[in-house]
Amino acid sequence: KNQVEQSPQSLIILEGKNCTLQCNYTVSPFSNLRWYKQDTGRGPVSLTIMTFSENTKSNGRYTATLDADTKQSSLHITASQLSDSASYICVVMIAVNDYKLSFGAGTTVTVRA
Amino acid sequence: KAGVTQTPRYLIKTRGQQVTLSCSPISGHRSVSWYQQTPGQGLQFLFEYFSETQRNKGNFPGRFSGRQFSNSRSEMNVSTLELGDSALYLCASSFAAGHDTDTQYFGPGTRLTVL
Repeated sequence: KNQVEQSPQSLIILEGKNCTLQCNYTVSPFSNLRWYKQDTGRGPVSLTIMTFSENTKSNGRYTATLDADTKQSSLHITASQLSDSASYICVVMIAVNDYKLSFGAGTTVTVRA
Repeated sequence: KAGVTQTPRYLIKTRGQQVTLSCSPISGHRSVSWYQQTPGQGLQFLFEYFSETQRNKGNFPGRFSGRQFSNSRSEMNVSTLELGDSALYLCASSFAAGHDTDTQYFGPGTRLTVL
């Protein structure tokens, strides 16, 4: 079982609408959580990085939240645009002697006009 | 400022061969990390190099190796290629070492196909 679960696997939304993606993790000890956006055929682009003490972080129309107690994070997209069509990947970093990365499988978002 | 560049962009090899991929980080960045991405396994961390030293590595066999040069450019080598090595290989650079919260910038990737 993957230690970082993302839901939904995919979703379709109309342009201008909002949507929320979920990321639940079981790994510990938690260091930070990252959200990436990956367009088809391109490398991922960092959206947000949140540490244990951060509850919310925004990057334009993208807002990430983190509840380290329940080990849940969400990525909210406001007023979606066609260019938001992409895969969104949640990555959790744990740090013991050195760091380890656990990757979610991603949520594919399709924005339709 | 130029972004992360990877060469070649596409590569076709046959089983048993070896391959070398190259990554040039953003100017001033000292950390280069390598990732493998496949439809089945998603993104997986291969290793990170910082100031010419391997700082961390994922759970990949010894056939996967890398190095970093004094100008921070990095190469990744895969020997004795297997069909399962077909993937998109991504490199990412950052100023600080990977355990920090410094933003990583990804290159476009090298698409490797093993026949």
